Amino acid sequence: DAGVIQSPRHEVTEMGQEVTLRCKPISGHNSLFWYRQTMMRGLELLIYFNNNVPIDDSGMPEDRFSAKMPNASFSTLKIQPSEPRDSAVYFCASSLGARAGGNGELFFGEGSRLTVL
Amino acid sequence: GENVEQHPSTLSVQEGDSAVIKCTYSDSASNYFPWYKQELGKGPQLIIDIRSNVGEKKDQRIAVTLNKTAKHFSLHITETQPEDSAVYFCAARETGNQFYFGTGTSLTVIP
Repeated sequence: DAGVIQSPRHEVTEMGQEVTLRCKPISGHNSLFWYRQTMMRGLELLIYFNNNVPIDDSGMPEDRFSAKMPNASFSTLKIQPSEPRDSAVYFCASSLGARAGGNGELFFGEGSRLTVL
Repeated sequence: GENVEQHPSTLSVQEGDSAVIKCTYSDSASNYFPWYKQELGKGPQLIIDIRSNVGEKKDQRIAVTLNKTAKHFSLHITETQPEDSAVYFCAARETGNQFYFGTGTSLTVIP
């Protein structure tokens, strides 16, 4: 069974450029989470979706960040325009909630390491 | 919202010794407590979890205990090995809500 798949694994870009990170959750999972990890702030929740609907985006830093989940098997996190302080590892994670018959375990992808110069 | 605190932030043990990492949470509605291991350059991986109707759970060298009254839970690793060296995160969640993570413990097992 394939796990959570993220792309790209590494991205180096220049300040002001648009960045799009992609995620394919585990098939059948109904919740998807985007996290950002830095040394200073640890794991921060940016946004999460239940059944493709954004539930809580209070962690999205500012309007430069946006996330979409057009269907159950795909999500994107976009940063436009990117800034050096956005440099971090971005993780996508998915789970099948208890209310949907799952056990609520959260599975992470391998992350996308973003460097903004 | 929930607040999860994790201690210590770094931990060094001799190979073969035990390691204990502790977390506290604030929201009594939280009912699911997973532990994750993150190796360098990889995503966090679930290693063990416990639900609020259980006080202890064991899986080989790893055990987790939960004290609901005191709102704390702990990870115990016995007979540590160099491959246990990693960053460990605790988390708390109420069903249907988001996961709240601790700040991580960097464990080093000295051969």
